[in-house]
Amino acid sequence: SAVISQKPSRDICQRGTSLTIQCQVDSQVTMMFWYRQQPGQSLTLIATANQGSEATYESGFVIDKFPISRPNLTFSTLTVSNMSPEDSSIYLCSVVSQGQFFGPGTRLTVL
Amino acid sequence: RKEVEQDPGPFNVPEGATVAFNCTYSNSASQSFFWYRQDCRKEPKLLMSVYSSGNEDGRFTAQLNRASQYISLLIRDSKLSDSATYLCAVFGNAGNMLTFGGGTRLMVKP
Repeated sequence: SAVISQKPSRDICQRGTSLTIQCQVDSQVTMMFWYRQQPGQSLTLIATANQGSEATYESGFVIDKFPISRPNLTFSTLTVSNMSPEDSSIYLCSVVSQGQFFGPGTRLTVL
Repeated sequence: RKEVEQDPGPFNVPEGATVAFNCTYSNSASQSFFWYRQDCRKEPKLLMSVYSSGNEDGRFTAQLNRASQYISLLIRDSKLSDSATYLCAVFGNAGNMLTFGGGTRLMVKP
């Protein structure tokens, strides 16, 4: 399976600021996704990160709030913009490589 | 109705017990099925895929019932280290993507 790393692993941010999360994969993958897991909840797909084109967002998520970049087949970023306490969550990068696998997650707390 | 549904538990079982979880899905056209394990404050990790014929990996057995639209996970001879949340995931239940259930929490006690 692919090895996935995320940075930062955790952060505490002030309301109104933005945070960019990086996801790096050790091999080229076609399918890359960003998920959110709020406390005590299951995983919710935010968007599919498409290489060379705009991300595909799920219902309830918009580009202005969660801009995504995918400059190549091994890297993607997710930005959480204009944060509020409701954005406190774990953000997970995921790839498909002989199965679907997850990065270690970024634990975000917004004060 | 949720698209992929699980009993949240917790299931509290003694060591050595056999425990089973079910997961129902809403779309009969769903294509692939998986069980993930998630430890506290960690990412989900793929436990096993679920094949039409069922599959077994050591103490773990996964089965698919297409007629009733559910998958199951059976854990035999439970260990303390099996304590975790078990998430089912269904591909194709709602579009071309994995949809996760809410997870079932298992606590194995000495």
